[in-house]
Amino acid sequence: NAGVTQTPKFQVLKTGQSMTLQCAQDMNHEYMSWYRQDPGMGLRLIHYSVGAGITDQGEVPNGYNVSRSTTEDFPLRLLSAAPSQTSVYFCASSPGQGSRGYTFGSGTRLTVV
Amino acid sequence: KQEVTQIPAALSVPEGENLVLNCSFTDSAIYNLQWFRQDPGKGLTSLLLIQSSQREQTSGRLNASLDKSSGRSTLYIAASQPGDSATYLCAVKDQGGSEKLVFGKGTKLTVNP
Repeated sequence: NAGVTQTPKFQVLKTGQSMTLQCAQDMNHEYMSWYRQDPGMGLRLIHYSVGAGITDQGEVPNGYNVSRSTTEDFPLRLLSAAPSQTSVYFCASSPGQGSRGYTFGSGTRLTVV
Repeated sequence: KQEVTQIPAALSVPEGENLVLNCSFTDSAIYNLQWFRQDPGKGLTSLLLIQSSQREQTSGRLNASLDKSSGRSTLYIAASQPGDSATYLCAVKDQGGSEKLVFGKGTKLTVNP
């Protein structure tokens, strides 16, 4: 049981490049989310999904795109990377209905130069 | 808008001391509250989840309490150890069906041998 797996762990991008951060969970959780963590700002919700085929925006969605074609996977796409997107990105999943809380992945540290 | 505050931002204690970390939130209409631990450069590890109908949860040397009416939660750590050194985050999930977790900025705990 791997839990929530994020890849890559580290990435350096040039401004304007695009990339996809991968997130997979093997717990059959319905709910999945992406957060970014910045110094002094705490964790902020980017996008979330309550099930396959259903996604919605969080607090800071601009510059990011998501899709949920399967229960297991929830990739985060950076369309045109900007230095302001330098951050640590965390994926999280939950069974839903808040009954058991969220499980977080180990994070992707992204630097945009 | 829900806001979560954690005080103090940093705490240094000698090994063996009992300690309390504080978390306050502005809107008492919460679904649950979750305490996490984050080690440097790592992901978030869930410690305790308290549903809005509960007053406290315990796991080993950890005890979390919730006073929804006053908008407060505390995390009590008994007989602290150097291995407890980490940043502790609390996160609130509001009522109303939103899957957004609102995080505090954390308390960085250092336990000195």
